[in-house]
Amino acid sequence: NAGVTQTPKFQVLKTGQSMTLQCAQDMNHEYMSWYRQDPGMGLRLIHYSVGAGITDQGEVPNGYNVSRSTTEDFPLRLLSAAPSQTSVYFCASSYFRATDTQYFGPGTRLTVL
Amino acid sequence: AQSVTQLGSHVSVSEGALVLLRCNYSSSVPPYLFWYVQYPNQGLQLLLKYTSAATLVKGINGFEAEFKKSETSFHLTKPSAHMSDAAEYFCAVIPVFGNEKLTFGTGTRLTIIP
Repeated sequence: NAGVTQTPKFQVLKTGQSMTLQCAQDMNHEYMSWYRQDPGMGLRLIHYSVGAGITDQGEVPNGYNVSRSTTEDFPLRLLSAAPSQTSVYFCASSYFRATDTQYFGPGTRLTVL
Repeated sequence: AQSVTQLGSHVSVSEGALVLLRCNYSSSVPPYLFWYVQYPNQGLQLLLKYTSAATLVKGINGFEAEFKKSETSFHLTKPSAHMSDAAEYFCAVIPVFGNEKLTFGTGTRLTIIP
């Protein structure tokens, strides 16, 4: 099993550009989530999904969209990038619920100029 | 709403000394609690979790944590620090029922002094 994979590993955007961060898992997990990690702020939940076709907002959803058309994939879309979205983004998955053990991807480091 | 507070953003201990990382939680309903570890340039991985069974929880790499309801604490300890323990540690909380949002603390960076 590859576990949770994220692409790209690094990305530089200009303000106003859009892009999609990819996340995939091969463990047949129902629950998937996106976090951003900023110095001194820990991890903050952006969006999550409890299964294909079901998504909901986390703590910091503004400026981000998600969809979950399959169990395996959970892409995160930045609609119009802003410097405040410079961060490290982590995707995670768990078997069924957020109370289950979370398995994290290696992260995507995003810089918005 | 739930939250966790990690006291001390940086902790340094000598190799072989006791490791103590502090976590206090706030939750209006009984919570589950977790400790995750992040090694440099990697994602997080689970150290241990409290799910309302035993209050003393043993995890990987010799770490353990004790759930104390009266003190609303879930501190992480290891009797003897090893150089490989240098990493960032995150405490996290979620209600047993009610929502699907895991809330993380701000993290504690652990440095081991040779």
